[in-house]
Amino acid sequence: DTGVSQDPRHKITKRGQNVTFRCDPISEHNRLYWYRQTLGQGPEFLTYFQNEAQLEKSRLLSDRFSAERPKGSFSTLEIQRTEQGDSAMYLCASSSQTSGRGIEQFFGPGTRLTVL
Amino acid sequence: AQSVTQLDSQVPVFEEAPVELRCNYSSSVSVYLFWYVQYPNQGLQLLLKYLSGSTLVESINGFEAEFNKSQTSFHLRKPSVHISDTAEYFCAVSRTGGYNKLIFGAGTRLAVHP
Repeated sequence: DTGVSQDPRHKITKRGQNVTFRCDPISEHNRLYWYRQTLGQGPEFLTYFQNEAQLEKSRLLSDRFSAERPKGSFSTLEIQRTEQGDSAMYLCASSSQTSGRGIEQFFGPGTRLTVL
Repeated sequence: AQSVTQLDSQVPVFEEAPVELRCNYSSSVSVYLFWYVQYPNQGLQLLLKYLSGSTLVESINGFEAEFNKSQTSFHLRKPSVHISDTAEYFCAVSRTGGYNKLIFGAGTRLAVHP
């Protein structure tokens, strides 16, 4: 159990550029979540995958955001045409539906995005 | 829909003093309740959770929280804090059943002073 990893840890980009973040969940965790945390706020839910299926998307996810989990393992979150309001910490979490600790979500360290 | 209110954005306290971080929630359905802790430059870690059963739950590092259904509260307490407890604390809820999407409060920054 190596924990949830996210890459990159920090990303600075110019407004209008596209960015992509990667999340590697704990192996064999079939549930994967993305959250966004802005300064001074708690994390807000963005989207949820069960295996490779994206089952819920928050209204916070505009058309510029897309997430994938192609093989039910790692996931990517892409933001197109970034805006300054996208600056935030993007958190990934995973959990196992089948384990006795399925309620617990394990969080990665996050990717901090700064849009200039 | 669920919502979580953490009543204090910052709580300063001296080392070895008791502390209470307040959390109230709103939900029309039954929920699970959680406290997560975020140390500086680290990810969120689960501190403790209430799923069912005893309304008093404890963590391994001396924190406890009590689920009060009538007051829709889940306050976090510690009888004697340490410098190392300085962190951001987040209260969260999720619906029972389903896939447990977490709804977080805005967080309380606990600052322990010597």
